[in-house]
Amino acid sequence: QVQMVESGGGVVQPGRSLRLSCAASGFTFRTYAVHWVRQTPGKGLEWVAVISADGTIKYYAGSVKGRFTISRDDSKNTLYLQMNSLRADDTAVYFCVRDPNSGYGDYWGQGTLVTVSS
Amino acid sequence: DIQMTQSPSTLSASVGDRVTITCRASQSINSWLAWYQQKPGKAPKLLIYKASSLQSGVPSRFSGSGSGTEFTLTISSLQPDDFATYFCQQYNSYSYTFGQGTKLEIK
Repeated sequence: QVQMVESGGGVVQPGRSLRLSCAASGFTFRTYAVHWVRQTPGKGLEWVAVISADGTIKYYAGSVKGRFTISRDDSKNTLYLQMNSLRADDTAVYFCVRDPNSGYGDYWGQGTLVTVSS
Repeated sequence: DIQMTQSPSTLSASVGDRVTITCRASQSINSWLAWYQQKPGKAPKLLIYKASSLQSGVPSRFSGSGSGTEFTLTISSLQPDDFATYFCQQYNSYSYTFGQGTKLEIK
């Protein structure tokens, strides 16, 4: 069955970096676009970034552009999110989301919590 | 960015009721709209895509309609498992945006 398992979350100080990973299984990872979406109690669901199936197209939300980098390693069936210059308002649960190359998410991971605090 | 506004924010209903949730876009998104269900501590689950297409495995009591800027999610006869929070999402253009959610509570 389709599984997407995020890891790498934790507590980090403002200005520091963190890298999230998402291990995918149960489907042919290289044929799907994949997103990162985050959720906070106050701001709800916020789309963060997407990478195309072939890895050549990447888009970012304005709030993270220039600080976050999405990437994928199809040999490891893994999606990454490198997060630099973290701020308190980046605190959220981060989900990786499979996209059947259409723009919506048909499978979501369970999420990993990132807390940015001094 | 395209803004998505859901109403109501909270909805109280009983098992067996027919309920409708509305999602409005700040500009036309054609039919590029998805609906998700989320339960506490869980990941969102896709219900509807392209405004009215039912995701495989989702019960037929869920239906979606609309195009342009106004969309609805209807649950024809509420079941106990349906009490959750529902979100809409536009995917007409980057960056994708979500509605703020509708919490469906037991009356």
